[in-house]
Amino acid sequence: SQTIHQWPATLVQPVGSPLSLECTVEGTSNPNLYWYRQAAGRGLQLLFYSVGIGQISSEVPQNLSASRPQDRQFILSSKKLLLSDSGFYLCAWSPAVVGHNQPQHFGDGTRLSIL
Amino acid sequence: SQKIEQNSEALNIQEGKTATLTCNYTNYSPAYLQWYRQDPGRGPVFLLLIRENEKEKRKERLKVTFDTTLKQSLFHITASQPADSATYLCALGDSWGKLQFGAGTQVVVTP
Repeated sequence: SQTIHQWPATLVQPVGSPLSLECTVEGTSNPNLYWYRQAAGRGLQLLFYSVGIGQISSEVPQNLSASRPQDRQFILSSKKLLLSDSGFYLCAWSPAVVGHNQPQHFGDGTRLSIL
Repeated sequence: SQKIEQNSEALNIQEGKTATLTCNYTNYSPAYLQWYRQDPGRGPVFLLLIRENEKEKRKERLKVTFDTTLKQSLFHITASQPADSATYLCALGDSWGKLQFGAGTQVVVTP
């Protein structure tokens, strides 16, 4: 069966520090991968999605970036965190099949607090 | 701009009753709509998917309807149980596989 792992579960970082969040998927090949951010009481905001190694699409211009160095690894990064980067970050995957009408499967997220 | 609206007020319901949640959208023509359940501090869990040419979908005690004319989806939990207490998110999908989520409605089922 497929599983998705995100770490760390919680993170407290000072303003201006770098960030690296990692997400890995097991049990499937060539998945579509997604990074979302969820602010308190708000819907999930799609940040990045990827349909293959090295292929990243950005949905929201900001100081975050994403990379996909391996088929089942997705990394969210920042060189200098802002206070507004605080939130709940979620990674998700979906099968890469024709039609795209596929459910997304989420990790348990990283709670990021910027001080 | 595209907008998805879910009732921001928590839905308090007695065990055994049917909970009905609403998802309305504007300026959007989704190819499909999905419903997810999210527990506190956890990622969303997929429940049901309904396509634009489908009117109704059922899965056990769950039922989803999709009215593209009204631009509305209804999500029903029949014979609700305290374990159904959670936040429920609707998400609209485009032909590229991207989802746009509503803010969710919290459901509280009391014994």
